[in-house]
Amino acid sequence: SQTIHQWPATLVQPVGSPLSLECTVEGTSNPNLYWYRQAAGRGLQLLFYSVGIGQISSEVPQNLSASRPQDRQFILSSKKLLLSDSGFYLCAWSGQVNTEAFFGQGTRLTVV
Amino acid sequence: GESVGLHLPTLSVQEGDNSIINCAYSNSASDYFIWYKQESGKGPQFIIDIRSNMDKRQGQRVTVLLNKTVKHLSLQIAATQPGDSAVYFCAERNAGGTSYGKLTFGQGTILTVHP
Repeated sequence: SQTIHQWPATLVQPVGSPLSLECTVEGTSNPNLYWYRQAAGRGLQLLFYSVGIGQISSEVPQNLSASRPQDRQFILSSKKLLLSDSGFYLCAWSGQVNTEAFFGQGTRLTVV
Repeated sequence: GESVGLHLPTLSVQEGDNSIINCAYSNSASDYFIWYKQESGKGPQFIIDIRSNMDKRQGQRVTVLLNKTVKHLSLQIAATQPGDSAVYFCAERNAGGTSYGKLTFGQGTILTVHP
């Protein structure tokens, strides 16, 4: 069966520090991969999505970047965190055609 | 489209009532739609989906209705229970062009079920 792993679950980082959140998927190949951010009490904002290795689409101008070095690995990064980067970050995967997306458990990032 | 900067609308119901949660989607090229339930501190979980060649689909206690003419999606929950309290999101899958496969979430709704 397919599983998605996202870590860490919580993270507290100082302003100006770098960030690396990792997401891996098991049990499937060539998935679509997604990074979403959710502010408290708000909706899900699509940050990046990827349909293949090295193929990243950025949805909003921001302080973050994403990379897909392997088929089932999706990394969210920042060189210097801002206070406004705080939020709940969710990684998800889906099949290439009409299938649901499966979400990781999320990372609660607090920038202090 | 995404309304992620807005506070989520709320719906309060009594246990046992039926709930209807609505969603307006933005892309007429979307061909697949999903409803998700998100509990506090967790990732969204799949509830039910519907393809654009359908206008209604039923699951266990849930029904999704799709009106492509007005780009509207609804989720009906029968006999709502306290465990149904959560945030509900609709999502649409882009069917074509350079954004093929992209999954975009609509504005969520906070459902509160009172015993």
